[in-house]
Amino acid sequence: GAGVSQSPSNKVTEKGKDVELRCDPISGHTALYWYRQSLGQGLEFLIYFQGNSAPDKSGLPSDRFSAERTGGSVSTLTIQRTQQEDSAVYLCASSLDGRSSGNTIYFGEGSWLTVV
Amino acid sequence: KQEVTQIPAALSVPEGENLVLNCSFTDSAIYNLQWFRQDPGKGLTSLLLIQSSQREQTSGRLNASLDKSSGRSTLYIAASQPGDSATYLCAVDQGAQKLVFGQGTRLTINP
Repeated sequence: GAGVSQSPSNKVTEKGKDVELRCDPISGHTALYWYRQSLGQGLEFLIYFQGNSAPDKSGLPSDRFSAERTGGSVSTLTIQRTQQEDSAVYLCASSLDGRSSGNTIYFGEGSWLTVV
Repeated sequence: KQEVTQIPAALSVPEGENLVLNCSFTDSAIYNLQWFRQDPGKGLTSLLLIQSSQREQTSGRLNASLDKSSGRSTLYIAASQPGDSATYLCAVDQGAQKLVFGQGTRLTINP
């Protein structure tokens, strides 16, 4: 596709429910990233995929958060038993190759999650 | 732990002025530094990327400098326009393009 695509763009869920957020990176990009942007917290790194493997999961805030990437393309971020503090914008990004420092990173428009 | 600070948090200037946004970081062991722009309700758009071995990068009316030893970067915007109004974010790459972001500077250009 022309850019990084994320869905849903907006999601309101009840506390305790599970949610899945989807990211479709730019075609040919091997690196994929999830970030979270919370009010007052700025942008926080969550997880990095190179191909289908996740060499860096250090930013996942708890074991309620998980992510997978299949076929070296689409990724899904899953939040189980959502809490109100999970309310944030979840941004996905991709680049040609995360092992090279000079590649431009392209961000999607984010999935706005509200937990009520 | 790397910390990135942006000053000022918000800036409002009249159209046509030249302006400077500042970014500082605590750990000089970076691969590169990037400046992004974020419009309300939108994702981030990459503006400039400066490799750790470089001193500056230019794109149109934008010029970014990097002084890695002192942990500082500046984004210079020449002849500002109302369309430049947005939040500008600075981020350092700690490796594998894992970015550590500043809190951003919210810029308003008044016509």
